[in-house]
Amino acid sequence: DSGVTQTPKHLITATGQRVTLRCSPRSGDLSVYWYQQSLDQGLQFLIQYYNGEERAKGNILERFSAQQFPDLHSELNLSSLELGDSALYFCASSPRPVVDTQYFGPGTRLTVL
Amino acid sequence: AQSVTQLDSQVPVFEEAPVELRCNYSSSVSVYLFWYVQYPNQGLQLLLKYLSGSTLVESINGFEAEFNKSQTSFHLRKPSVHISDTAEYFCAVKSAGAGSYQLTFGKGTKLSVIP
Repeated sequence: DSGVTQTPKHLITATGQRVTLRCSPRSGDLSVYWYQQSLDQGLQFLIQYYNGEERAKGNILERFSAQQFPDLHSELNLSSLELGDSALYFCASSPRPVVDTQYFGPGTRLTVL
Repeated sequence: AQSVTQLDSQVPVFEEAPVELRCNYSSSVSVYLFWYVQYPNQGLQLLLKYLSGSTLVESINGFEAEFNKSQTSFHLRKPSVHISDTAEYFCAVKSAGAGSYQLTFGKGTKLSVIP
């Protein structure tokens, strides 16, 4: 158990809908990262927050957004969902932004029908 | 920008045989290197990492990896695999410079240990 929690574990929805994925980092970690894992693209970095502020952006679509709240949990919002958004979404946390080790949560499996 | 190439998508190996999972990276700056393991239906777990110092790094469960700067490689090895090592293994790289935060992953190698 990495100490990073993600909810929900599974999510099934329809095209065009909007969903919110939630992540609670390890106790004491200030930085949160979001990754998408799909069969064709592999593991792709989406976005990173540190202590409430966006620090880095990767291959995140404009339909996706994220935020980190004062209690340090983070949410990833996915809107206007398409079939191709079906994937595993992982959250990771680390104590600081420029740090060696990221600890991953169990992931949320999103299925868009 | 960095990139990671894992040369084998699947590696079948018999139990108690040795295994090597290959990883090559590309980067114009100094890097940190990682191997993560993903067991079925689970998240990623850090297996081992190279930050600096000795180029040979070891994990607690018998895996080791050697950083080879001239060949830009970080291959993962285990002298004798167990059934429980069946999983997907991901090599990842991160710039060692300030201002770089994200990990860049390879496509993964599925290790199947055959009884």
